[in-house]
Amino acid sequence: TQLLEQSPQFLSIQEGENLTVYCNSSSVFSSLQWYRQEPGEGPVLLVTVVTGGEVKKLKRLTFQFGDARKDSSLHITAAQPGDTGLYLCAGGADGNNRLAFGKGNQVVVIP
Amino acid sequence: EAQVTQNPRYLITVTGKKLTVTCSQNMNHEYMSWYRQDPGLGLRQIYYSMNVEVTDKGDVPEGYKVSRKEKRNFPLILESPSPNQTSLYFCASSPGQGGFRGYTFGSGTRLTVV
Repeated sequence: TQLLEQSPQFLSIQEGENLTVYCNSSSVFSSLQWYRQEPGEGPVLLVTVVTGGEVKKLKRLTFQFGDARKDSSLHITAAQPGDTGLYLCAGGADGNNRLAFGKGNQVVVIP
Repeated sequence: EAQVTQNPRYLITVTGKKLTVTCSQNMNHEYMSWYRQDPGLGLRQIYYSMNVEVTDKGDVPEGYKVSRKEKRNFPLILESPSPNQTSLYFCASSPGQGGFRGYTFGSGTRLTVV
């Protein structure tokens, strides 16, 4: 199983600030996903990226897939309290029929 | 509404008493999976199913069973629960194999085994 390292594990910022969290691996992925999970609920899919260098935007969230398809970043602009949650990355590699999940980036946005 | 439905949401049981957690999806997805989530360990895959009557072990299958007799249902069975199976469990489904096209997760089942 591929290993995905997410950093930082925990991040607390003030409302209106920007933040970036990272997902890194030594494996090459054909598909990488980001999810957001709120306490006691299931993760919700935010985005799937499949092409090296790909950038996708979802309102104030910007997702980037590394050129070598081994890493990804999530940038939040002007964070709001509603962005609080656990952000999980998950990757799938060619020849492997299972996703691997990172342990998550816990983000807290203080009003 | 497209969704994955798990039941029950909360369950407290005693060691050794067989239990089943149900999972149903209404999206006609071929791929379904069970995960457990524990503090510090993240999401770990228990079992997955690529289609009806096709199941395989994930990373932590010991103590669990699954079945896939119909496309929409994928129950998780604990034949003899033990306290180390206390966890938050999630069922998920995906239109693509391996979850590569993204999972839809259920709301979770919080299981406590005493």
